[in-house]
Amino acid sequence: DAGVIQSPRHEVTEMGQEVTLRCKPISGHDYLFWYRQTMMRGLELLIYFNNNVPIDDSGMPEDRFSAKMPNASFSTLKIQPSEPRDSAVYFCASIHRPTVNTEAFFGQGTRLTVV
Amino acid sequence: DAKTTQPTSMDCAEGRAANLPCNHSTISGNEYVYWYRQIHSQGPQYIIHGLKNNETNEMASLIITEDRKSSTLILPHATLRDTAVYYCIVRVASWMDSSYKLIFGSGTRLLVRP
Repeated sequence: DAGVIQSPRHEVTEMGQEVTLRCKPISGHDYLFWYRQTMMRGLELLIYFNNNVPIDDSGMPEDRFSAKMPNASFSTLKIQPSEPRDSAVYFCASIHRPTVNTEAFFGQGTRLTVV
Repeated sequence: DAKTTQPTSMDCAEGRAANLPCNHSTISGNEYVYWYRQIHSQGPQYIIHGLKNNETNEMASLIITEDRKSSTLILPHATLRDTAVYYCIVRVASWMDSSYKLIFGSGTRLLVRP
């Protein structure tokens, strides 16, 4: 398996524009997580899904943020409208039925810059 | 999940052992200790986990104190590629736990010197 795949790797957009980040989890994994990382706040959990259903979105900062998982192999994180303070690295991770011995696999991240 | 405390930064010489401490004094009996690391510009990577016994794998060793209130991650022969931020996470590990979360603290920034 190629691991968790995120696209694009880098995104530069103007304030007010819509941004869509994409994630393809590892095949067969049941859980998918979206994280945001900034220097000030570190790694923050935004939302996670179990079997395509959002379980906890308490980390989503504002209504401008939304996430979907239409099927087991694809998820999106959308920001509309984007603001400069949304600039960060966004990571996606997946886990197969978390037990004691399962580990989370992270993608390479999308570096978002909003100017 | 129990809160963890780690030093902000550490350094060690290449080839020497790196010992990274973590305090988790409020850990519960069913909570495991997990370690992840994040090399610059990459996503976090799983290293090792344990409950109460010491654990070893090809990457590292994990030493958990008898009272389980603290642990130490040991990289036996650190290399320059081990320079990264190391995160200690304490959580329940059960597939029955529908509220599964992996929460990262601020971690320890380890610098391996040539």
